[in-house]
Amino acid sequence: GAGVSQSPSNKVTEKGKDVELRCDPISGHTALYWYRQSLGQGLEFLIYFQGNSAPDKSGLPSDRFSAERTGGSVSTLTIQRTQQEDSAVYLCASSLGNSADTQYFGPGTRLTVL
Amino acid sequence: SQKIEQNSEALNIQEGKTATLTCNYTNYSPAYLQWYRQDPGRGPVFLLLIRENEKEKRKERLKVTFDTTLKQSLFHITASQPADSATYLCAQSGGSYIPTFGRGTSLIVHP
Repeated sequence: GAGVSQSPSNKVTEKGKDVELRCDPISGHTALYWYRQSLGQGLEFLIYFQGNSAPDKSGLPSDRFSAERTGGSVSTLTIQRTQQEDSAVYLCASSLGNSADTQYFGPGTRLTVL
Repeated sequence: SQKIEQNSEALNIQEGKTATLTCNYTNYSPAYLQWYRQDPGRGPVFLLLIRENEKEKRKERLKVTFDTTLKQSLFHITASQPADSATYLCAQSGGSYIPTFGRGTSLIVHP
């Protein structure tokens, strides 16, 4: 079946603009994660959705970052008033929802803020 | 807080040799350690999971060990091939639903 998909694959924007990144998880996966990966860095956790529960937003770096997940499926990560330090690859992953479960990652969105 | 540490230096080995990558954790023993492979421009792909009460797990040419005394997991690739060249990430999970990833170690297998 289809894996996790993300769009766009690349996004170039100007400083101060807002961007929206989209993630389509694997059907039936109740857990969805957003991570950020900068060059040479590890995966930085941003936000976690599990079913209909309130999301864990503890990893969001500032209030310019927000995310929502509609209908327990598609998720959108929004970055307002982008800054150059927001440039990174944003990865989405989904899983069945248990802590031992494999995470299935999308290909990522490479964001470049000029 | 728990940290996952992996060697930041790339590991260079010759084809056919066994590659061994190290993952150390700093505090409590995680319930699970997972290993992922990441190729340039792609998301990580799951390889193996080992539980705290397991000493060793194997899958084809891959082997993972978990030593709670040393606070360490070792990831081995036997009979390595140039196609094994990638970055390998270690992640701990189980305490919460949010895994903690290491920065990864780059493996380069020379023909």
